Amino acid sequence: DAMVIQNPRYQVTQFGKPVTLSCSQTLNHNVMYWYQQKSSQAPKLLFHYYDKDFNNEADTPDNFQSRRPNTSFCFLDIRSPGLGDAAMYLCATSIPPTGWGANVLTFGAGSRLTVL
Amino acid sequence: AQKITQTQPGMFVQEKEAVTLDCTYDTSDQSYGLFWYKQPSSGEMIFLIYQGSYDEQNATEGRYSLNFQKARKSANLVISASQLGDSAMYFCAMRAQGAQKLVFGQGTRLTINP
Repeated sequence: DAMVIQNPRYQVTQFGKPVTLSCSQTLNHNVMYWYQQKSSQAPKLLFHYYDKDFNNEADTPDNFQSRRPNTSFCFLDIRSPGLGDAAMYLCATSIPPTGWGANVLTFGAGSRLTVL
Repeated sequence: AQKITQTQPGMFVQEKEAVTLDCTYDTSDQSYGLFWYKQPSSGEMIFLIYQGSYDEQNATEGRYSLNFQKARKSANLVISASQLGDSAMYFCAMRAQGAQKLVFGQGTRLTINP
C-alpha cells in the first residue's frame, strides 16, 4: 500500500543533542509537510516543500531545519533540542492544490520526541 | 488569516448513539475547503471527510456527514451509530483554495462508552 512512513516512531534525546527525524513516501506526492504537535494541542505547521521549493513558516524557530534530497524522502533536523521541543512530529504529503479539489493531506504515524 | 474553533474539549457518548462535533471557522477567503481528521492514541491523523465552500450538498462518507452552514461559518461533523473504535481526538481543519497550508482547530476528544 502506498503510504507515509516516519522513523523513528519514538526518539529520546538529551538537551542540546541534535536529532534527525525522517519521512518517506510512496505516493509520489509533490508536497511534503512537517507539523509539530505538542500534548493536547493542534498540529502546527513548521514548513513544507513543494518539490524542491522550501517554504518556512514565519514563526518556525531557526533551531528547526529540513532537507528533501528527493521526492520520496524528507528530513527534520532539530539542531539543539530544548525541553520545549518535546512533541509529536507529523509528516504529511499531498498533491499540489491545483484547481478545485480536496487535495487531502496523508499523514504518517508520527515521531514522538522526548527531550531529557 | 484563517482560524478554526472547536469549543468542545471533550465529549462522552454512549455506543450506538449519534454525536455531533462542533467546528466554526473564520476566513476572508471566498474559496476554501474544510476537513475533518481523526487521531487515535497511536498518533496517526486519519482523513475522514471534506467539504468545499462551494459544494451545495453536505458531504457524507459512510457514518460520517458534515453539517455545513456557510452563513454561520460552521462545519460540524456528525457520526451516526457511534462505535467504541470511534474514541479518538477529532480535528477540524481548513485550507484556502490553492494554498498549501492546512490550519487545524484545537480538537475534541471523543470517548464512546459501552
